[in-house]
Amino acid sequence: NAGVTQTPKFQVLKTGQSMTLQCAQDMNHNSMYWYRQDPGMGLRLIYYSASEGTTDKGEVPNGYNVSRLNKREFSLRLESAAPSQTSVYFCASSAPGPSSLDSYSPLHFGNGTRLTVT
Amino acid sequence: QKEVEQDPGPLSVPEGAIVSLNCTYSNSAFQYFMWYRQYSRKGPELLMYTYSSGNKEDGRFTAQVDKSSKYISLFIRDSQPSDSATYLCAMSARRGSNYKLTFGKGTLLTVNP
Repeated sequence: NAGVTQTPKFQVLKTGQSMTLQCAQDMNHNSMYWYRQDPGMGLRLIYYSASEGTTDKGEVPNGYNVSRLNKREFSLRLESAAPSQTSVYFCASSAPGPSSLDSYSPLHFGNGTRLTVT
Repeated sequence: QKEVEQDPGPLSVPEGAIVSLNCTYSNSAFQYFMWYRQYSRKGPELLMYTYSSGNKEDGRFTAQVDKSSKYISLFIRDSQPSDSATYLCAMSARRGSNYKLTFGKGTLLTVNP
């Protein structure tokens, strides 16, 4: 059971270059997310997709676009990379919220893509 | 004031010590409180969650929520070198709304053999 798979693991870009980060999950989850993690800033939500066919902005969407290709795959695109986008990017997925009030449906994270923009 | 504040550490303890990790928050609407553990160069994974106030125990780990003080804690008993990781607190006001999850910045814990 692979869980959430992210590719590539590492990437170096020059300012202005574009790239797409790929994410796929095999847990049949409805919701998928893209986060970035920076030292001293914690995890910040870039975009999310509550279900196939929908996407919404998170806390820090500027400079990014997303595509929910199907239920399994959710990609993140940097159209014109900037040094401020140097970060570790995590994709996550979660099942629909459980029915009981005191239950929680956790995020399942991939192992990240380490991106450096020079 | 940030919504969630977490002691940054880093924290270094000897094996067998009791570890206390803490977060404070300002949003009184938070009802779901989670602790995620993140090993180096890995993604975070859920360790424990608590709904509303009270304590929850799972083996060597105890999660505590004090809503009156807006303060949550994670205690690790008999800490092991394998507990060395970054611990992230996270909070949400709504069930099933992971897109409304607010994370702390994380505390790096090292348990020395």
